[in-house]
Amino acid sequence: DSGVTQTPKHLITATGQRVTLRCSPRSGDLSVYWYQQSLDQGLQFLIQYYNGEERAKGNILERFSAQQFPDLHSELNLSSLELGDSALYFCASSAGDRGYQPQHFGDGTRLSIL
Amino acid sequence: LAKTTQPISMDSYEGQEVNITCSHNNIATNDYITWYQQFPSQGPRFIIQGYKTKVTNEVASLFIPADRKSSTLSLPRVSLSDTAVYYCLVGEGASGAGSYQLTFGKGTKLSVIP
Repeated sequence: DSGVTQTPKHLITATGQRVTLRCSPRSGDLSVYWYQQSLDQGLQFLIQYYNGEERAKGNILERFSAQQFPDLHSELNLSSLELGDSALYFCASSAGDRGYQPQHFGDGTRLSIL
Repeated sequence: LAKTTQPISMDSYEGQEVNITCSHNNIATNDYITWYQQFPSQGPRFIIQGYKTKVTNEVASLFIPADRKSSTLSLPRVSLSDTAVYYCLVGEGASGAGSYQLTFGKGTKLSVIP
């Protein structure tokens, strides 16, 4: 058990809709990272927050946004969903603000767009 | 942007030593190299991290040559439970908020044969 909790585990929705994925980091960790994993693209870094502030941004679409709240949990918002957004979305956490530090991953949210 | 390249798959018999190499030609001076293991339907799990030369822990060794353009993960005496996907991650040095990337390779699927 990594200590990182992601909800929901599965999400099924339709094109054009909006969803919110939630992540609670491991106790004591201040950084939260979001990743997208699809079969053809591998593990893609989306965005990192550290102690409530955006720290680094990867290949995150403009239709996607994230935030980290004062209690350090984070939410990833995906809007105007397309079929290609179907993927596993992982959240990870680490103690510090540097991305190379060991990250602890949750078990992901599987998003299916119909 | 440091791009990483790994073999897509490898097979090994139980009890053998397995070496998985990752190429990262554009690695930056302050980048670290981290390896993760991922089982189906689970998030990646941290294995080992290094900057240069050799690092060893209870599960693996990491060899990094002087030019740091590649790295090799060594798993001693693999067992069936080591069957998983192994990812190499190069973390680009942060030079300010929002200015760095985390680049995962597409992973190497290791199959351990009895």
